[in-house]
Amino acid sequence: SQQGEEDPQALSIQEGENATMNCSYKTSINNLQWYRQNSGRGLVHLILIRSNEREKHSGRLRVTLDTSKKSSSLLITASRAADTASYFCATSGTYKYIFGTGTRLKVLA
Amino acid sequence: EAQVTQNPRYLITVTGKKLTVTCSQNMNHEYMSWYRQDPGLGLRQIYYSMNVEVTDKGDVPEGYKVSRKEKRNFPLILESPSPNQTSLYFCASSLLFQGAVGETQYFGPGTRLLVL
Repeated sequence: SQQGEEDPQALSIQEGENATMNCSYKTSINNLQWYRQNSGRGLVHLILIRSNEREKHSGRLRVTLDTSKKSSSLLITASRAADTASYFCATSGTYKYIFGTGTRLKVLA
Repeated sequence: EAQVTQNPRYLITVTGKKLTVTCSQNMNHEYMSWYRQDPGLGLRQIYYSMNVEVTDKGDVPEGYKVSRKEKRNFPLILESPSPNQTSLYFCASSLLFQGAVGETQYFGPGTRLLVL
């Protein structure tokens, strides 16, 4: 399997704190995307970062990409209870997407 | 509304009984894909299609078939389902970027399949 790995597998924080999750992958990529999934539902796209970018922001989300280390991180600032979900990174080559195993985030009110 | 639809949403069947899960998108996307999601394993790609009549295997294609006769539809066929195909299935679609994948994928709501 060429799946990416995410770290940590689970994360529990208090509302208002920041949440950081990491993604490592194995092959060269065109871009990397982060998705969110609420319990058993469809995935929703959060942010895309291309291989020639190092950092990207979208609202309370900040994504970094280090292609030399084959890793990315997703930072959610000032977390809210509604951020409770699973978060997945996905890398893409030419034809296929490869998803990480996900980080389960729980934000306690 | 731009969306990916899947049917059925829930399905209980028995081993060996052929079934089809339909997937349709209304965004004129070239790329469509099927994934299965199992606890602890994340999403794994079953099959993908770059355009009409162009399909290829993903990481876990065994036991599945697909077809892409129209741009909007990408059905997943289980000719002889087995219990190890019990899973949560997602269809997704996206545009291509310079002939390759990498744009935002839009996911359907999922199909929960139980094979007895």
